[in-house]
Amino acid sequence: EAQVTQNPRYLITVTGKKLTVTCSQNMNHEYMSWYRQDPGLGLRQIYYSMNVEVTDKGDVPEGYKVSRKEKRNFPLILESPSPNQTSLYFCASSLSGTSGLYEQYFGPGTRLTVT
Amino acid sequence: AQKITQTQPGMFVQEKEAVTLDCTYDTSDQSYGLFWYKQPSSGEMIFLIYQGSYDEQNATEGRYSLNFQKARKSANLVISASQLGDSAMYFCAMRADGSSNTGKLIFGQGTTLQVKP
Repeated sequence: EAQVTQNPRYLITVTGKKLTVTCSQNMNHEYMSWYRQDPGLGLRQIYYSMNVEVTDKGDVPEGYKVSRKEKRNFPLILESPSPNQTSLYFCASSLSGTSGLYEQYFGPGTRLTVT
Repeated sequence: AQKITQTQPGMFVQEKEAVTLDCTYDTSDQSYGLFWYKQPSSGEMIFLIYQGSYDEQNATEGRYSLNFQKARKSANLVISASQLGDSAMYFCAMRADGSSNTGKLIFGQGTTLQVKP
């Protein structure tokens, strides 16, 4: 089954404790991206990757890191989480990042709470 | 700057009736794609329908259709014969095409739809 998986689905952590949210897709997609969803703001892009070893900042990259060492995986790293990073996080992938023709497939979401 | 506006925070519709969810967009790009996603209370994002800026016909997918009016920069979602399972939040999104673009989806704030039995 074609899918994007994320782990963990739910996480409660404390300020400053490093964490990683994993994302994996099995569709051989070139493009992967991370979004955060906050009430009243819709989804905003954090980072994206056009292909292996090619990553760049989205609209809200502060406090996050990513890597793309393999095509299928795109982990999101919070080196020192803060309460303002409490949010619902989505990983997404699509065949291409440069054509609007290709829909982005979303993972199930990770609900993160930082206390 | 690119922007998506959904002016209806919440809407109600009677079961089996049709409903239109509004979406207007702003972009200076000539080539772009417009998407609608559904987010039920369980939280996942479900792709519903896509419209390309050069598509002359309105997109349709089952009970979903996209009323695309390019000159007015609107891309309204029409759901026909509403079902209780259609109760969810709906997001309109846009992505600009072309090699200079980042592949980013720009999302609106969302519209919560409640279907009444």
